[in-house]
Amino acid sequence: QVQLQESGPGLVKPSETLSLTCGVSGYFISSGYYWGWIRQPPGKGLEWIGSVYHGGITYYNPSLKSRVTISVDTSKNQFSLELSSVTAADTAVYYCATPSPRYYDSSPPLFDYWGQGALVTVSS
Amino acid sequence: QSVLTQPPSVSGAPGQRVTISCTGSSSNIGAGYDVHWYQHLPGTAPKLLIYGNSNRPSGVPDRLSGSKSGTSASLAITGLQAEDEADYYCQSYDSSLSVVFGGGTKLTVL
Repeated sequence: QVQLQESGPGLVKPSETLSLTCGVSGYFISSGYYWGWIRQPPGKGLEWIGSVYHGGITYYNPSLKSRVTISVDTSKNQFSLELSSVTAADTAVYYCATPSPRYYDSSPPLFDYWGQGALVTVSS
Repeated sequence: QSVLTQPPSVSGAPGQRVTISCTGSSSNIGAGYDVHWYQHLPGTAPKLLIYGNSNRPSGVPDRLSGSKSGTSASLAITGLQAEDEADYYCQSYDSSLSVVFGGGTKLTVL
């Protein structure tokens, strides 16, 4: 059973970089197909931020692409999100997620393993 | 503004049937991309309910069903129960190279 846990600062200042890590347990991250980040601003819906695929290939939401970096650290069995030049509009609950192997062939990608979410507030 | 449009809210009495629509365009659902559905309770992780338009993961009751036609998809819930009260999101893919979610629908069980 895959378990995901987001970690990182809960408060980030405007114009700075938001950094979150998703720790993976119960599964080797190097064996996974893709790992993603999704966020939910207060009172709004889910928004896909981006995904990193096996081998390091990344795909990002076009609206965030210029500010986002997602990477994998296989030595620590975790993957990370960096979002630069944040504003109050980036305040959200950030989720990391991945599919179980039975869904690797799903098109479009889907997510059935999710972390519990981490609230990140952008404020001075 | 979400690429996929859902009604902000729907409601129904226990035992009734409700449907939640998800309307896209020729660049996403209409382009042939499948639709997935998630249930989201506040403070918890979203749960996959339907994948590939109409398939249920194991453990999801058969009173939930999904369908897709043209540029739209729908989630139907029959025999409504209090535990169904939650937010529901559709998800697909857009030709802009992006995974896209609907704006979400809040289901209230009266």
